[in-house]
Amino acid sequence: AQSVTQPDIHITVSEGASLELRCNYSYGATPYLFWYVQSPGQGLQLLLKYFSGDTLVQGIKGFEAEFKRSQSSFNLRKPSVHWSDAAEYFCAVGALYNQGGKLIFGQGTELSVKP
Amino acid sequence: ETGVTQTPRHLVMGMTNKKSLKCEQHLGHNAMYWYKQSAKKPLELMFVYSLEERVENNSVPSRFSPECPNSSHLFLHLHTLQPEDSALYLCASSQGLSGTYNEQFFGPGTRLTVL
Repeated sequence: AQSVTQPDIHITVSEGASLELRCNYSYGATPYLFWYVQSPGQGLQLLLKYFSGDTLVQGIKGFEAEFKRSQSSFNLRKPSVHWSDAAEYFCAVGALYNQGGKLIFGQGTELSVKP
Repeated sequence: ETGVTQTPRHLVMGMTNKKSLKCEQHLGHNAMYWYKQSAKKPLELMFVYSLEERVENNSVPSRFSPECPNSSHLFLHLHTLQPEDSALYLCASSQGLSGTYNEQFFGPGTRLTVL
């Protein structure tokens, strides 16, 4: 069965420090991968996506993610975190031969940013 | 209006009330979704509509009744809810259901409180 694991429920980083949020997926075929961000009380906003091609994808707000098939991972990175990046981050996987349009979401990682 | 809009943004209702949540997408998409997001729980997919036809109903109690009159509008009719139904209800839309088409765009959500 498809699944997404975000091992870190909560991460705290200092402003200006680098960030890496982990995401591991389980799916037999080539997945479509997404990272979304959710600010408190808001909906989810797409940060970036991977469908095919270059395994390092660039997104909005200075984020990037790298697809590593051998590790079944799609980790999100940012070289220098800003206080406004404090939010919840969700990794999601959708498959080529999807069943009814499902995206499978991870449980989310809450990011706090220290001044 | 652009993107996906949801009304109302906040709703407080008693267990015997009947209310409806509305979602409208301005993206020309063909698929729409309802999700439930409870505190400390993963996103739960409730319903999926494609071209106004329901394609998925994830064992949702009958006190939640969706309606999709056209590809731009989605409603969630609520009646005799329970306090555990209090959550953020998110609407999303996508161009289609499979492959690259199921990149989902989310509305801001309706925060529902059941007393």
